[in-house]
Amino acid sequence: GESVGLHLPTLSVQEGDNSIINCAYSNSASDYFIWYKQESGKGPQFIIDIRSNMDKRQGQRVTVLLNKTVKHLSLQIAATQPGDSAVYFCAEKMRGNEKLTFGTGTRLTIIP
Amino acid sequence: DTAVSQTPKYLVTQMGNDKSIKCEQNLGHDTMYWYKQDSKKFLKIMFSYNNKELIINETVPNRFSPKSPDKAHLNLHINSLELGDSAVYFCASSGLAGAPTDTQYFGPGTRLTVL
Repeated sequence: GESVGLHLPTLSVQEGDNSIINCAYSNSASDYFIWYKQESGKGPQFIIDIRSNMDKRQGQRVTVLLNKTVKHLSLQIAATQPGDSAVYFCAEKMRGNEKLTFGTGTRLTIIP
Repeated sequence: DTAVSQTPKYLVTQMGNDKSIKCEQNLGHDTMYWYKQDSKKFLKIMFSYNNKELIINETVPNRFSPKSPDKAHLNLHINSLELGDSAVYFCASSGLAGAPTDTQYFGPGTRLTVL
């Protein structure tokens, strides 16, 4: 998803609960997708990625789901912890093109 | 032992000045990037170099000039700084020679403030 100048979406979740962050991507030709986490004052940090030939990929406490039919990507974080508070970005990329296009980001706040 | 490093972390300068930001990666990657993050946190690519050659050049004023002395370094020089240049600039790198990957790894950012 391209930014259209909107304010950063926010999501507040109670510590220990699961969270789901959604992303709508723009290019049906994109074949690689990444989720990044950006903590305050730091650079984006790689969380998990998925290629277009997969629907789901799991990591430690994180799961990425890809629905190519509706061009939708989601990041599920299980058993959230205070350290999960950050801005989360999805990004998309086309094969053979080095350009990574970022979504607008979602600010996740974990409530203790 | 930071993978992607940038200097300086903070840069405060007057309008009209010329400044440079430096980036180094020790990951052995072939491709390096510069991104600009605005006040709304939107990240947009500016440039990309692969083995010292420019491969992506987005619509960026020509006051911005990237320079890659070798594949481990990509510096960003900005001439005649303007108020609108105030942002956080991130360097990133990706790819291993002979085994390219898509994941980009980011530096800690340089917060540029133009007064």
